[in-house]
Amino acid sequence: GNSVTQMEGPVTLSEEAFLTINCTYTATGYPSLFWYVQYPGEGLQLLLKATKADDKGSNKGFEATYRKETTSFHLEKGSVQVSDSAVYFCALTDFGNEKLTFGTGTRLTIIP
Amino acid sequence: DARVTQTPRHKVTEMGQEVTMRCQPILGHNTVFWYRQTMMQGLELLAYFRNRAPLDDSGMPKDRFSAEMPDATLATLKIQPSEPRDSAVYFCASGLKVIGELFFGEGSRLTVL
Repeated sequence: GNSVTQMEGPVTLSEEAFLTINCTYTATGYPSLFWYVQYPGEGLQLLLKATKADDKGSNKGFEATYRKETTSFHLEKGSVQVSDSAVYFCALTDFGNEKLTFGTGTRLTIIP
Repeated sequence: DARVTQTPRHKVTEMGQEVTMRCQPILGHNTVFWYRQTMMQGLELLAYFRNRAPLDDSGMPKDRFSAEMPDATLATLKIQPSEPRDSAVYFCASGLKVIGELFFGEGSRLTVL
């Protein structure tokens, strides 16, 4: 079956630090990959996505590249801000399936 | 500003009571999902609908949970009877054309004592 594995949190960084949150996946077909973000007290929001190998998704300074050879979709940001503090979820859909399979989430805290 | 609306935002109830959570998807969206979020299990898909028809409820405990869409503007998730292990945040999400792009509500936090 499909699954998503994320690096365990929590992750605490200083403002302007470089961020990487690792995500690897297992899928039977050709998945589309997503990063969702959940700010405190809110629902999840789509942050970025990639639908095929070597695609790079980007939004709000965050980037992730779909690496089929390593089955990975790591999230990166060059300089984090306090407002980036949230929980980040890696997710996939497979075979055009509408159901999203989520990772366990990584809590990120940015300190001034 | 279109958004998914969930009620109630918070619910505290006693074991054995019936709980109904409601969701108003974004107007025009044709898929609706119910997810449950807990610290231990993370996000679990309970059920989902397309064009109001239930497509998958395999993640839902059938003996006590039920999900319906009486019309295109309302989705409900009912627990009867509720148990302490049902304590969680329940999210509704809706989508339209792009697979995987879902819009989530703010969630209903349920506490069963």
